[in-house]
Amino acid sequence: DAKTTQPPSMDCAEGRAANLPCNHSTISGNEYVYWYRQIHSQGPQYIIHGLKNNETNEMASLIITEDRKSSTLILPHATLRDTAVYYCIVRSQGGSEKLVFGKGMKLTVNP
Amino acid sequence: NAGVTQTPKFRVLKTGQSMTLLCAQDMNHEYMYWYRQDPGMGLRLIHYSVGEGTTAKGEVPDGYNVSRLKKQNFLLGLESAAPSQTSVYFCASSFRGTGELFFGEGSRLTVL
Repeated sequence: DAKTTQPPSMDCAEGRAANLPCNHSTISGNEYVYWYRQIHSQGPQYIIHGLKNNETNEMASLIITEDRKSSTLILPHATLRDTAVYYCIVRSQGGSEKLVFGKGMKLTVNP
Repeated sequence: NAGVTQTPKFRVLKTGQSMTLLCAQDMNHEYMYWYRQDPGMGLRLIHYSVGEGTTAKGEVPDGYNVSRLKKQNFLLGLESAAPSQTSVYFCASSFRGTGELFFGEGSRLTVL
C-alpha cells in the first residue's frame, strides 16, 4: 500500500507558484520524502528529497512539517513545461529499499 | 554521456512469442530496476538488481526473467508473452542505497 496521499489533480496559472501537497502520516523516523515527476509518457524525473529540514534546488523547494506527517513541493514560477504527474514517495535511505510509486497527482499549468 | 538507454522503444508481439528488453547505463551505477506502467497507474517494480550477477523480485515478477551479467546492462525477458504484459516498461539505475533514480525513456510493448 502506498504510504503517501496526494490529491488526484490540481491546476496552476503560468508564472505563479505551484504548491503540491502530500500527506505521509505514518512516516518513520528513518524515511525520506522523495518527489518525482513524469512529463507525458517520458520516464520519471527525480526532483528533490528531504528528511526533516526544508530543501531547495534549482528545480523546486520541499517543505516538510515539523511533525513530518506532510510536505509540500513548491515550484516557484510554474511554466507550461511543468505540466506533469508528480509523485510523492517515502523511502528509507540506504540498503536496497525500493521506490514505490503511487498514482501521483496531475498538475496542469494553464496559460 | 547517454544516461539510461532502452532498446527497443517499440515492439509488437504475438501471444506466446518471446523477447528481451535491453537496458544500458553509462553512469557506473550499482543498482538497476525494471518497472512497468499501465494506463492511469503508477509504476510497479518488476525486478531489480543491486549489483553485477545479482537479481531480485519486485512487486510483479511473474512472467518475467532478468539477468545482470555486466554492471552496465540489465536485461528483461518475456519467455511467453501474454496480452496482460502489454505495457510501457521503464528501466532505471541508481548509485547504491540512494533513492535518486535515473530513468530511461521507456519501451512500449504490445502483445496481441
